[in-house]
Amino acid sequence: DAGVIQSPRHEVTEMGQEVTLRCKPISGHDYLFWYRQTMMRGLELLIYFNNNVPIDDSGMPEDRFSAKMPNASFSTLKIQPSEPRDSAVYFCASSLLGGIQETQYFGPGTRLLVL
Amino acid sequence: LAKTTQPISMDSYEGQEVNITCSHNNIATNDYITWYQQFPSQGPRFIIQGYKTKVTNEVASLFIPADRKSSTLSLPRVSLSDTAVYYCLVEALMFSGGYNKLIFGAGTRLAVHP
Repeated sequence: DAGVIQSPRHEVTEMGQEVTLRCKPISGHDYLFWYRQTMMRGLELLIYFNNNVPIDDSGMPEDRFSAKMPNASFSTLKIQPSEPRDSAVYFCASSLLGGIQETQYFGPGTRLLVL
Repeated sequence: LAKTTQPISMDSYEGQEVNITCSHNNIATNDYITWYQQFPSQGPRFIIQGYKTKVTNEVASLFIPADRKSSTLSLPRVSLSDTAVYYCLVEALMFSGGYNKLIFGAGTRLAVHP
């Protein structure tokens, strides 16, 4: 299996622009997670889906962030409008099932820079 | 959710054994202890998980004392490629949605020198 696939790997945009990050989870995995990593705040969970349904979005910083999962093999994280403080590395992860002892597999991340 | 405390950084040399200790004083009965490894420009990668006593796999060993308030990740005979950030997590089952919530701390930055 190719693992979790994310695109783009790098994104540079200007403040105010819309940014869309994409993720393809491992085939057959029921859970999908979006994380954000910064030097200041470390790695934090933004939202997760179970069988394409958003379950917990309490980590989403504000209304400028939205995430969708239209089918089992694709998810997007959108920031509109983007701000410089959104600059971070965004990771997508998936797991076969939920629950303890279910390993989360992380993608390579998207490095976002908002100027 | 239990908080974890681990050293910010460690240095070692090739061929040495490295032990990284993590404290988690308020771990709950149902919680598991999980370690992830992260290389630069990559996502975290699962290393090992345990509940109590000792767990060993092809990569590392995990030692958990009876009170479970701490755990030690042991990397045998490290090489330069083991240079990474190591995260200790207490993994709690979230009953809403039934998923395992991972709370990442600052991690331990391990540098292996020739």
